[in-house]
Amino acid sequence: KQEVTQIPAALSVPEGENLVLNCSFTDSAIYNLQWFRQDPGKGLTSLLLIQSSQREQTSGRLNASLDKSSGRSTLYIAASQPGDSATYLCAALSGTYKYIFGTGTRLKVLA
Amino acid sequence: NAGVTQTPKFRVLKTGQSMTLLCAQDMNHEYMYWYRQDPGMGLRLIHYSVGEGTTAKGEVPDGYNVSRLKKQNFLLGLESAAPSQTSVYFCASSEAGKRYEQYFGPGTRLTVT
Repeated sequence: KQEVTQIPAALSVPEGENLVLNCSFTDSAIYNLQWFRQDPGKGLTSLLLIQSSQREQTSGRLNASLDKSSGRSTLYIAASQPGDSATYLCAALSGTYKYIFGTGTRLKVLA
Repeated sequence: NAGVTQTPKFRVLKTGQSMTLLCAQDMNHEYMYWYRQDPGMGLRLIHYSVGEGTTAKGEVPDGYNVSRLKKQNFLLGLESAAPSQTSVYFCASSEAGKRYEQYFGPGTRLTVT
């Protein structure tokens, strides 16, 4: 059974810092891994999707990597801004139609 | 396009009451999903549908029923609400063959007292 874990659960950093969010999954037989952003009281917004055959994806200041053999994905945020404050969730698609979500990392970027 | 919408946004129920959550999407997506989000648990799939008239169980289906009578709507029902069903409920949809590209609604916050 796939399990997805995110560490740390919460993170507070000063503005401008580069940071890394971690996501671990137990079953390496995944189709893809996706990173989402969730703002308080809002739905989820997809940030980056990495297919199982890919190693990384980039979008602006965001870079996500995938290492299936070690069961890990990281989300790198460069030059963090207060507007990056949100909860970040990773999700692994390894079943028929089912995404298994991590518990999230709550990020706060201080001005 | 409104995308994925959910009704209601908030609701408080008493134990034993019933209610239906409505999810609507205007993107002509084949697949629709219901998740619940609880602190420290991430999102867990309750039920999903791969087309009009079809539904299937997810990870945590007990205590819930669903219906997909129209392609654009996916209903989640609680027949007899329990405090353990206090949660935030998210609906999502995706194109057929693109189950990895799910679009999420804003959520419904349900409290059962």
